[in-house]
Amino acid sequence: DQQVKQNSPSLSVQEGRISILNCDYTNSMFDYFLWYKKYPAEGPTFLISISSIKDKNEDGRFTVFLNKSAKHLSLHIVPSQPGDSAVYFCAARYSSASKIIFGSGTRLSIRP
Amino acid sequence: KAGVTQTPRYLIKTRGQQVTLSCSPISGHRSVSWYQQTPGQGLQFLFEYFSETQRNKGNFPGRFSGRQFSNSRSEMNVSTLELGDSALYLCASSLADRGMNTEAFFGQGTRLTVV
Repeated sequence: DQQVKQNSPSLSVQEGRISILNCDYTNSMFDYFLWYKKYPAEGPTFLISISSIKDKNEDGRFTVFLNKSAKHLSLHIVPSQPGDSAVYFCAARYSSASKIIFGSGTRLSIRP
Repeated sequence: KAGVTQTPRYLIKTRGQQVTLSCSPISGHRSVSWYQQTPGQGLQFLFEYFSETQRNKGNFPGRFSGRQFSNSRSEMNVSTLELGDSALYLCASSLADRGMNTEAFFGQGTRLTVV
């Protein structure tokens, strides 16, 4: 049972445009959500997070939106840059436990 | 501040053998989690240790085991290796005590190939 789903395995966006990566979850107990970025042969790097008490969190070019009623979150990258090409993982956890559940990832490619 | 260190980076083993992977967390972090990443899959949670105790466990067979030492360093062991165990094994450390919203920091992983 996949509790965190990233239904788009890949996404191609032109440099300078907005990249939108989507994530759905099924467990209403999740109350903390994270996005990680991963380059080949490296471990995932933490990007941005959001608590369930918020619906938006912004950090530079990265913004995460949370829609609790739809159990959906998205990561917006504006403007997209070549260095953003990587695999992005959505993740979720309970605040009462530290186990983090990851989605299957979306490969983002930024084309010139 | 040093990051999460995993050793070795690469490993080739034969079917039926066993393997031990090591993870040194960020100083001060008491939680260490292990994940398996295979092509086309996300990060599959193996287990998590906190203060030398296994606190969470994923859906992996008993051939996968782990432990944590008093200095928070952790080891993961896989016995009777199978070809399907070939994967990138990632370790993550965090402050994560219950009730805390904190992120996990990952090491670079150990690439295990079973032949």
